[in-house]
Amino acid sequence: TQLLEQSPQFLSIQEGENLTVYCNSSSVFSSLQWYRQEPGEGPVLLVTVVTGGEVKKLKRLTFQFGDARKDSSLHITAAQPGDTGLYLCAGEANAGGTSYGKLTFGQGTILTVHP
Amino acid sequence: NAGVTQTPKFRVLKTGQSMTLLCAQDMNHEYMYWYRQDPGMGLRLIHYSVGEGTTAKGEVPDGYNVSRLKKQNFLLGLESAAPSQTSVYFCASRTHPTWAYNEQFFGPGTRLTVL
Repeated sequence: TQLLEQSPQFLSIQEGENLTVYCNSSSVFSSLQWYRQEPGEGPVLLVTVVTGGEVKKLKRLTFQFGDARKDSSLHITAAQPGDTGLYLCAGEANAGGTSYGKLTFGQGTILTVHP
Repeated sequence: NAGVTQTPKFRVLKTGQSMTLLCAQDMNHEYMYWYRQDPGMGLRLIHYSVGEGTTAKGEVPDGYNVSRLKKQNFLLGLESAAPSQTSVYFCASRTHPTWAYNEQFFGPGTRLTVL
């Protein structure tokens, strides 16, 4: 069974601060996705990373996939109150192959950005 | 397009009662998934389907049954509800995952309480 350990579980910061969320595993994933979830809604995909060492940027959000494809991080620069929400990482063991699209999710990080 | 819809949105059951959660998608996706979300545990896969007429067990299948009689619908059944099944249930769909960047689209969730 593949596990994804996500940390921290809770993060409460002031507007304008930077933050990093980590997602770690002892297993190799062929792809890793980050989702954001608002209260009362389902998760929405932010980004997918596939290549070891890959870095993707989405405005103030930077996503990195570890060289060994066992870990990933999400960094937010100058956080805004609108960034508040639950952030989830999810890994796929054999993307495009026999994993049938099944995802293993981390526990999630609840981010609160205070004005 | 409505995307992925789930009914009902909320439900309260007594221990031992049965119910069926309905998921519908209008994106002609082959793959569909049922997850449960509990505090501090991310999303865990219950059952999934790779096409009409097929189903398979996920990480936490005990106490649940599923059916996919039509491509657009995926039903999750609880034959004899238990308090441990109190959770938020999410359905997701995905086109055939031959490409790693294919994302899962999630429904808005069903909040189930078993007394």
